[in-house]
Amino acid sequence: NAGVTQTPKFQVLKTGQSMTLQCAQDMNHEYMSWYRQDPGMGLRLIHYSVGAGITDQGEVPNGYNVSRSTTEDFPLRLLSAAPSQTSVYFCASSLERGIAYGYTFGSGTRLTVV
Amino acid sequence: DAKTTQPPSMDCAEGRAANLPCNHSTISGNEYVYWYRQIHSQGPQYIIHGLKNNETNEMASLIITEDRKSSTLILPHATLRDTAVYYCIVRHTGNQFYFGTGTSLTVIP
Repeated sequence: NAGVTQTPKFQVLKTGQSMTLQCAQDMNHEYMSWYRQDPGMGLRLIHYSVGAGITDQGEVPNGYNVSRSTTEDFPLRLLSAAPSQTSVYFCASSLERGIAYGYTFGSGTRLTVV
Repeated sequence: DAKTTQPPSMDCAEGRAANLPCNHSTISGNEYVYWYRQIHSQGPQYIIHGLKNNETNEMASLIITEDRKSSTLILPHATLRDTAVYYCIVRHTGNQFYFGTGTSLTVIP
């Protein structure tokens, strides 16, 4: 049981490039989310999914796309990277939307856009 | 979801109890109070949650006032490894977690 696995751990992109941040969980969790954390700030919700085939926007969705074709995977796509997207990205999952146990977070992807 | 207010920073002597306050005056009757912490740049870690009653687990205790407008997270015997940013979040079942900037706790030797 690996929990929530994020890859890569570090990435440097040039402005305008696209890439996909991977997130996988092996806990059969329905609920998955992506957050970004900028220096000295709390986490801000980008996108979330309540189950396979269902996604929705969070606080800061612009510039990002998501899809949820399987329960296990929830990739985050940067369409055209900008320096403002330099951040640490965290993926999180939860057993179901109504459960009170909270989220399990991955260890993060540190992205730098130059 | 109700918003929360936390002090930006606190210090605590090693071995003493750390009491971290959180105000959530607009909380509604079906919103839970959650506490997470983030050590250095790791992913946030779940600590404890509650609705109305006080809660205790192996990590901490959560005291919620009777009117539910505020709560306190208690780390009974703080260690250096408890140095972290602590987030208080209120969440209605089914809604997302929205993190604020939290309280940066420094445990002093």
